[in-house]
Amino acid sequence: EVQLLESGGGLVQSGGSLRLSCTASGFTFSRYAITWVRQAPGKGLEWVSVISGSGASTYYTDSVEGRFTISKDNSRNTLYLQMNSLRAEDTAIYYCAKAVEMATIPSGLDYWGQGTLVTVSS
Amino acid sequence: EIVMTQSPATLSVSPGERAALSCRASQSVRSKLAWYQQKPGQAPRLLIYGASTRATGIPARFSGSGSGTEFTLTISSLQSEDFAVYYCQQYEIWWTFGQGTKVEIK
Repeated sequence: EVQLLESGGGLVQSGGSLRLSCTASGFTFSRYAITWVRQAPGKGLEWVSVISGSGASTYYTDSVEGRFTISKDNSRNTLYLQMNSLRAEDTAIYYCAKAVEMATIPSGLDYWGQGTLVTVSS
Repeated sequence: EIVMTQSPATLSVSPGERAALSCRASQSVRSKLAWYQQKPGQAPRLLIYGASTRATGIPARFSGSGSGTEFTLTISSLQSEDFAVYYCQQYEIWWTFGQGTKVEIK
């Protein structure tokens, strides 16, 4: 059974940092891209960042470029999102999600974690 | 950025009735279109990808159609567990999501 479990969210002041983690199981972690998607309270969905299965390729949406860093440890089946210089508008539930198609970016997202809430106070 | 526009914003349907949700892209996304269902307090759930391919475990009452800029998600006979918010998403150029259609009980 495929499972993704996020952790690391919390309350942080504007300008601060947080590191999110996403631990995966039930599939070959190194063969699928994983995407971070966020959802502000009561709002829609926005993709944040994606990393290829090997970890060699990373991409970011414009609003987080230069502030967030995505990485993964395939030996631990774990994905990370280092978030620096946080702003109030980064407040959201952050989900990690697996690509439905192997070795494909972008792709539909077939399995999602339960999400972790990041709150940035100004 | 490709803008995805969903209509209607809210759809009131009685159980057992058919529901059709629309999604329009600001430019062609070919068949790189997915549909998700989200219930309160839960993560999105993939229903359809490639515009018309049902994801694993999705009931046959869910179907997707369209290509290019116009897409439709059809729920043939609404069950109680289908009342939720539905999002379309293009993945032709990165990802963008529509604003969602809420399907509520009439």
